[in-house]
Amino acid sequence: AQKVTQAQTEISVVEKEDVTLDCVYETRDTTYYLFWYKQPPSGELVFLIRRNSFDEQNEISGRYSWNFQKSTSSFNFTITASQVVDSAVYFCALSEAGGSEKLVFGKGMKLTVNP
Amino acid sequence: GAVVSQHPSRVICKSGTSVKIECRSLDFQATTMFWYRQFPKKSLMLMATSNEGSKATYEQGVEKDKFLINHASLTLSTLTVTSAHPEDSSFYICSAKTGTGVGNTIYFGEGSWLTVV
Repeated sequence: AQKVTQAQTEISVVEKEDVTLDCVYETRDTTYYLFWYKQPPSGELVFLIRRNSFDEQNEISGRYSWNFQKSTSSFNFTITASQVVDSAVYFCALSEAGGSEKLVFGKGMKLTVNP
Repeated sequence: GAVVSQHPSRVICKSGTSVKIECRSLDFQATTMFWYRQFPKKSLMLMATSNEGSKATYEQGVEKDKFLINHASLTLSTLTVTSAHPEDSSFYICSAKTGTGVGNTIYFGEGSWLTVV
């Protein structure tokens, strides 16, 4: 069965601090996809990244970066120089291969960035 | 701008009534849409997979007669909560996949807050 674990439930930082959100996943599939979504208080889910299981390259997008390590089944997300607007709940998710792509979500991690 | 739109964003209904939530894909056709439910401060749980032109596939434990899903066109899926009860109050969010292949991007709607009183 597929499972996503976000061990941290809530983190509070001060603006400009760097923060890393952990994500560990379990799957028996050899082909799968990993996602990060941001959910601000308004509720919508904002897509941040999708990574397939064959691409272990780290990715950087502005202040965001992702570290994918298959050896430890982790897909961690780092926000550099955090801002108040980064305050949200962040979800890591895993999808099975085969085209159906139902997402299994972690429990989410609430990030609060204080000014 | 949003590529998947949900309506209504908030709805309050009385116990025993039915309420319909729409999920529309904008600018693309979605043969597959997904409906999730999120309780306050909890994660999202998949309820069902909505397939255009065929019956929805429900996850274990989800009552298909209570949560009716219709995917009548390539851009619209509807979720109807029948005979709603207060415990059905939740945040319902849909997603749609661009294309039919593997690895297509999945976009989520804005979500719909349902309160049953």
